[in-house]
Amino acid sequence: DQQVKQNSPSLSVQEGRISILNCDYTNSMFDYFLWYKKYPAEGPTFLISISSIKDKNEDGRFTVFLNKSAKHLSLHIVPSQPGDSAVYFCAATGARGSTLGRLYFGRGTQLTVWP
Amino acid sequence: GAGVSQSPSNKVTEKGKDVELRCDPISGHTALYWYRQSLGQGLEFLIYFQGNSAPDKSGLPSDRFSAERTGGSVSTLTIQRTQQEDSAVYLCASSFRGRAYNEQFFGPGTRLTVL
Repeated sequence: DQQVKQNSPSLSVQEGRISILNCDYTNSMFDYFLWYKKYPAEGPTFLISISSIKDKNEDGRFTVFLNKSAKHLSLHIVPSQPGDSAVYFCAATGARGSTLGRLYFGRGTQLTVWP
Repeated sequence: GAGVSQSPSNKVTEKGKDVELRCDPISGHTALYWYRQSLGQGLEFLIYFQGNSAPDKSGLPSDRFSAERTGGSVSTLTIQRTQQEDSAVYLCASSFRGRAYNEQFFGPGTRLTVL
């Protein structure tokens, strides 16, 4: 059962515009969320994270928003650049039970930023 | 190098053969994780080592899969009697402490193809 869901397998955005990647989760024990970026033939690299005590975390062009009541988070990239083209994975973890110490990943969204 | 390394980068094997995949974590990282990514899927947790504690094997899909970590450093994932559904990219990650709140650094992965 997929506890972290990324329902859009792909997203295409023009350079300079905003990219919005969405993620939904089902396990209420998750309290920490991460986004990873993956280029072909490379391992995922950490991008940005957010704790459940916050609803927004910003790092340069990247902002993650968390809506706990909806069990939904999103990653905003503004402005988008061609180098942002990659697969973006949403991940979640928690401090209790089966969530402790483990990352649960979504299936990823392929972002393509075109000039 | 300073990152997580994995070998081999690619492995093609025949159904029924055993394979060993190796991971060298970042020096000083006490936690080590194995994941796999099948085609079109997210990263699936397999096993987690933290220091000298018993590993969390709850993600291993069958008893054909096993892993060990020698000397708290290098890890080997062994798949016995490989099946075609074992074909995937196997990713290793390490972190400074065994909590997913600490960033996990991923290796480039081993692409396993079972014919």
